[in-house]
This record gives sequence, structure tokens and C-alpha cells, in this order.
Amino acid sequence: DVKVTQSSRYLVKRTGEKVFLECVQDMDHENMFWYRQDPGLGLRLIYFSYDVKMKEKGDIPEGYSVSREKKERFSLILESASTNQTSMYLCASRWAGGYNEQFFGPGTRLTVL
Amino acid sequence: GQQVMQIPQYQHVQEGEDFTTYCNSSTTLSNIQWYKQRPGGHPVFLIQLVKSGEVKKQKRLTFQFGEAKKNSSLHITATQTTDVGTYFCAGWRDTGNQFYFGTGTSLTVIP
Repeated sequence: DVKVTQSSRYLVKRTGEKVFLECVQDMDHENMFWYRQDPGLGLRLIYFSYDVKMKEKGDIPEGYSVSREKKERFSLILESASTNQTSMYLCASRWAGGYNEQFFGPGTRLTVL
Repeated sequence: GQQVMQIPQYQHVQEGEDFTTYCNSSTTLSNIQWYKQRPGGHPVFLIQLVKSGEVKKQKRLTFQFGEAKKNSSLHITATQTTDVGTYFCAGWRDTGNQFYFGTGTSLTVIP
């Protein structure tokens, strides 16, 4: 079974703090994704990575950065957290090529006070 | 703006009633994937359609991809309480390397 894990289920941070969200997958997937999920807006893509050290902006990259130094790990960084970044963050991974399905982690619910 | 819209946003049905969610894209899609997210859970892949006009069934669930490859639907016959959750469509844009999720439809089944 594919397993995608995220470092925290719940996180509370203060405005201006630097926040790291970690995602690890154990299936040697090339592609990894970070989404945020908000009611009525579905899943919106923040960043994705085709492979190690590669990254592409998604639909809403402002205020976020990412790092992929190892194939199994994809980190989302909020340089200076703001209240409008309070959301559910979902990581996903998949094998490259074609239309392969995405496997999601359990999500991190981030609250910025 | 949002590329892939789903309607309705919320749906409450009595157990045993049918349910349909519609997915509409502003651009042509190469494929449609459907995911289900149980309350408190994460999205889980259900199925994929690739061909124009394709119809696939999984027990009580029927999935359809439109002829123009810009819309899709998921129909559940005789809903059960286990069908509760949010259903998302998603797809790769036909031109350009972009993947979009729909806005989702939250289904509540009243016993």
C-alpha cells in the first residue's frame, strides 16, 4: 500500500512565524504536490514537483515556497504566516507519466492566529 | 478564476434516494478522475475516464465523461450512509501541463 505521511495533523502558529509542513511518501513516486483545501473552493494547487530539486508553481503560490532535496520528501514553507493561510493542507504523490492517480496524505490543519 | 466547477456544492438526500454531481470545466480536459473524501479524511481515487462519451460503473456509482470532454457526472443509485462524503472531479487540461480539481460536492445521507 502506498503511504503518504504528513508531519502534523494539527498545527497552530502565530502571524509572522515561519512554518514548515513536511510530506513523505514511501512508493518512490516522482511527482509530489501541495494543495490547500477551503470550503467551496475545492483543492487548489500551491506547488508541485516533477522530481528531485524540481518545482513548479501551481495556481496559488504566493506566500509559499517548497523544497525537494530527496525523492521521498516534499516540504511546504510559509515564510511569514498570515491569518489568510489558515487552511487544510494536503500533500499528494503519484508515479510520473500518463494520467496516474494521486495518493494523498492525511492533511495538516493549520491555524494562524 | 476557478477552472473546474461542481454543482451542487451541498446535497442532502434520504437514504435510498439517488444523487448526481456535475463537473464542468472551462477548458477541454484530457481525462477526468473522481475522488471521494470521507468526513475527516483525505481524498481517495475512485475512477478515471479518458475517452469522449465514456461511461463506467462501479456497483451503484455511474461515471460519465462528456462528448466535448469539458464535463462529467457522477450518479449514485439508492444512496447509503456509507456514501457520505465530498466528491471531487479532477483532470488534466488538454493543452498545457496543468491539473485541476473541482470545487467538490458534499453529500449527506439522512438515514
